[in-house]
Amino acid sequence: DAGITQSPRHKVTETGTPVTLRCHQTENHRYMYWYRQDPGHGLRLIHYSYGVKDTDKGEVSDGYSVSRSKTEDFLLTLESATSSQTSVYFCAISESDRSSQYFGPGTRLTVL
Amino acid sequence: SQQGEEDPQALSIQEGENATMNCSYKTSINNLQWYRQNSGRGLVHLILIRSNEREKHSGRLRVTLDTSKKSSSLLITASRAADTASYFCATDERAQKLVFGQGTRLTINP
Repeated sequence: DAGITQSPRHKVTETGTPVTLRCHQTENHRYMYWYRQDPGHGLRLIHYSYGVKDTDKGEVSDGYSVSRSKTEDFLLTLESATSSQTSVYFCAISESDRSSQYFGPGTRLTVL
Repeated sequence: SQQGEEDPQALSIQEGENATMNCSYKTSINNLQWYRQNSGRGLVHLILIRSNEREKHSGRLRVTLDTSKKSSSLLITASRAADTASYFCATDERAQKLVFGQGTRLTINP
């Protein structure tokens, strides 16, 4: 999977708890993305990063924050998880903003 | 909102037949990409076609792009059971972001 790992792969948590998902790459790609995938909605962009400490919002960013302190790591944080954030989360990387993206294996998050 | 729209939403064919999926988009693009997703896995990049290209091949895959109609098609020839997956198109309609469609779910029956 192009040197991308996500952790954890599965997580069950309770409403109101903080959750952090980690994406790690070994490809030294500049761009990193967080998506969520839900039935009926396809793949939606949450946040993305175009360099260390450079991030921007996607179309469904409310309730999520991100950080990128190193090229290889991109963290997605749910400050106070809600049931509507139950989803499968994918990280992706790319060399440029218009090039092909390489996806991680996904994290299945369940918020009870 | 998703701007790439795949058609059909689901397709079921017999092994050995050809499968054709279509994608439409709304604004100008520099390139269009197709991805495959097997159940429970991440998306895998299949092919990228630039706006100045009309057709591109990769193995059993053939992609066409008609920028005047703002549409693309993905043809998989001589389908195999392993081609069963969801297929997504993605466009660079927005700066620094790809916009994905909701996908076509392809089932190859033995």
